[in-house]
Parts: sequence; structure tokens; C-alpha cells
Amino acid sequence: GQSLEQPSEVTAVEGAIVQINCTYQTSGFYGLSWYQQHDGGAPTFLSYNALDGLEETGRFSSFLSRSDSYGYLLLQELQMKDSASYFCALNRDDKIIFGKGTRLHILP
Amino acid sequence: DSGVTQTPKHLITATGQRVTLRCSPRSGDLSVYWYQQSLDQGLQFLIQYYNGEERAKGNILERFSAQQFPDLHSELNLSSLELGDSALYFCASSENSGDTQYFGPGTRLTVL
Repeated sequence: GQSLEQPSEVTAVEGAIVQINCTYQTSGFYGLSWYQQHDGGAPTFLSYNALDGLEETGRFSSFLSRSDSYGYLLLQELQMKDSASYFCALNRDDKIIFGKGTRLHILP
Repeated sequence: DSGVTQTPKHLITATGQRVTLRCSPRSGDLSVYWYQQSLDQGLQFLIQYYNGEERAKGNILERFSAQQFPDLHSELNLSSLELGDSALYFCASSENSGDTQYFGPGTRLTVL
């Protein structure tokens, strides 16, 4: 079977750095994606790791380690607008499997 | 703007009724996916179509059905509606199966 685990909630302070972890169990996939969703909005694509290592896109970075079945999303210089839910997702041949999402709360 | 459009934006109906949600994918995208998201829930994958053919099925109820037309737009039909079907329904599209998905703005369905 396939499953992804991520924390349900994370709280951080404006201007700080936060890491959202994602662990998975799957029989096969070719990449790990991250999506952001603001309340009432649609999920939007943030980042994708096809290979192990770090991918950096502005304030956001994503990491994948296939040997550890683990990935994370790193958000730097947090802004209030980053308050949202973040989903990790496994890209397979036939579909994308989403985790249940992590709600990020940012304190001023 | 992702390029994916969904209509209607909001839909209010009664239990037992039938509704149709519509989705137009991004230009060039062959895959269309449907998701259900209930309050404070994650994205529940319902069904995927690729170039007109059903490609993958998730947690889709028998009361629900979908299709993708030759022009690649897709419709999700929900019948014998129940209160628990109230949710946000998202459509997403990608160029090919498993590629990055681009989500539409969603249809908020309220069943009274």
C-alpha cells in the first residue's frame, strides 16, 4: 500500500524558519511534490524532488531522501501570508497520492 | 490563475438531488483529476481521466460518476445526494499522468 505521514499542525514565528516533515511508505514512485493551500483556496504547486537532495525555490526548499523514505519542506523568512496548509504528495505513474496536510500557524 | 476552470463556483441543493460539476483543463493537458475535500480534511482522490479514458479510480462512491469528453473537458456527476456530500470539489489537470497537477478554484457543494 501507499501512505504519507505529516504532522497535522506546526506553529512558528514570523521571520523564522520552519520545517514540515513527510514520511512515506510506498511500493514505488518517481518524485515527491509539495502543494500549498490557503483556507478556501485551491492547492497550488510549490516544489518537486525527482532526485535525492535539496531543491531551492526562493524562500522555499524541499528535500528528499529515498533511502530514509523521508522528505521535508523548509520555509525561510516566514511571512504571515505563509499561513496555510501544506501537502506532500507522491508522484506515481498513474496518479499523485496526497498526505493529509500540515496546517502552518504563524505568530507575529 | 492556474488555467483550470470549474463551474459552478457554488452549488446549493437538496438531499436526493443530482448535480453536475464541470471542469476545463489547462490547454494541452490530457489528464484530469477529481478530488473531494470536506471541512478540515485532506484531498480525497476520486477519479482520473487521461485523453478521454478512465485511468485511475480512488474513493469514489457508486452514486458518483465522471467522464471526459473529446474536447478534454470533464464532468463529475453526483446523484442521490446526501448531507455528507457537502464539500469542496476540485478538478486538477496535468500534461500526462503523474505530472505536476494544476488545480481549479473548486466548486463548493452544499447539500441541505
